[in-house]
Amino acid sequence: GAVVSQHPSWVICKSGTSVKIECRSLDFQATTMFWYRQFPKQSLMLMATSNEGSKATYEQGVEKDKFLINHASLTLSTLTVTSAHPEDSSFYICSARVEIYNQPQHFGDGTRLSIL
Amino acid sequence: AQTVTQSQPEMSVQEAETVTLSCTYDTSENNYYLFWYKQPPSRQMILVIRQEAYKQQNATENRFSVNFQKAAKSFSLKISDSQLGDTAMYFCAFMGNNQGGKLIFGQGTELSVKP
Repeated sequence: GAVVSQHPSWVICKSGTSVKIECRSLDFQATTMFWYRQFPKQSLMLMATSNEGSKATYEQGVEKDKFLINHASLTLSTLTVTSAHPEDSSFYICSARVEIYNQPQHFGDGTRLSIL
Repeated sequence: AQTVTQSQPEMSVQEAETVTLSCTYDTSENNYYLFWYKQPPSRQMILVIRQEAYKQQNATENRFSVNFQKAAKSFSLKISDSQLGDTAMYFCAFMGNNQGGKLIFGQGTELSVKP
């Protein structure tokens, strides 16, 4: 149980385009989803927290207009990287969680984003 | 603010031997949760083991066990009978009781299991 699907797993696109990444909880309803960015050999950096039906809460230093997050249902959250540039190239990981006191986050397999 | 520190950037161990990864944290909370996640080269984040702070008994999952020292704010991971498939980055993580499920990660320890 507790499977999180993230799609696509790898995307290459031209500078200036927008890229959408989907995160789905397949067998549970996720009250909260998280989006992370990870550079090689480094830890996960939390970008934002999203709750179904409300606006995402962004961490300090993360551009809201660059990284658009939508959490339209209890099983789907999307991250859109708008007008992507080479410096946005990174590994993006989502996670999902049920809002019960001791439940951990369950992670998707990540998306490798390469901007040319 | 809570912090999590993993002081060993890299470690290696021979296959079948035992290795311990260190993790310390800082918090003023009394109830919280601690986790170890594994990230193999495929980069998938896998939950290895979890510990609830109010439980004194150390958590165990097959070859993986923790040494939870609440007073010292220490949460080390012991891997017994290391296998080649244990090669991965290991992240220690803290979750407060009233933080909306947000995880605070350590810097990670890259473990190499050698044949």
